[in-house]
Amino acid sequence: ILNVEQSPQSLHVQEGDSTNFTCSFPSSNFYALHWYRWETAKSPEALFVMTLNGDEKKKGRISATLNTKEGYSYLYIKGSQPEDSATYLCASFSGAGSYQLTFGKGTKLSVIP
Amino acid sequence: GAVVSQHPSRVICKSGTSVKIECRSLDFQATTMFWYRQFPKKSLMLMATSNEGSKATYEQGVEKDKFLINHASLTLSTLTVTSAHPEDSSFYICSASMGTSSYEQYFGPGTRLTVT
Repeated sequence: ILNVEQSPQSLHVQEGDSTNFTCSFPSSNFYALHWYRWETAKSPEALFVMTLNGDEKKKGRISATLNTKEGYSYLYIKGSQPEDSATYLCASFSGAGSYQLTFGKGTKLSVIP
Repeated sequence: GAVVSQHPSRVICKSGTSVKIECRSLDFQATTMFWYRQFPKKSLMLMATSNEGSKATYEQGVEKDKFLINHASLTLSTLTVTSAHPEDSSFYICSASMGTSSYEQYFGPGTRLTVT
């Protein structure tokens, strides 16, 4: 994998459903994986920064896992609410001393009331 | 904390004119600021990295004479799109990082530039 890939590109879920989406990233020279939540007309909001293989982080109903050996991360949302509607971006940070984040295209989530 | 503002949020200009976009860290000192561009249905792409008081480092393919970046203080960076053309129409977004060892970036809300 050369780029950061996210899937699906978009999805619609009913309120109350749980959902998850995937971020794939280059596993070589991996340093950190960032997840952002981006609502329309607002700033992307940092959700998680993950560095260790097997790491799992949780923030309310949202959680994320990380597999650095195979180069993927999952973001889970439990019991989706309309306010979860946003684009979820992941970004790979490679190499100590470099600040460059490489972004995926994002997964646009729409939660239907 | 860690709020970044960006101004203007939306700008329409005529071809050949220059446009300045400001990025400010409101409650922290930003040692490093970043400028990204996003075309429709594409990823955020890093244009340049700037450290306070020094010249910006541009990514390959980004013209430094066209996209002038100034990072004159620890709370303000500006991006000037000079002699804008319709192909420069895009979404421009900045981020800021505090400290030389931090890789966490805090984003502004972005600027939609339309060149007619």
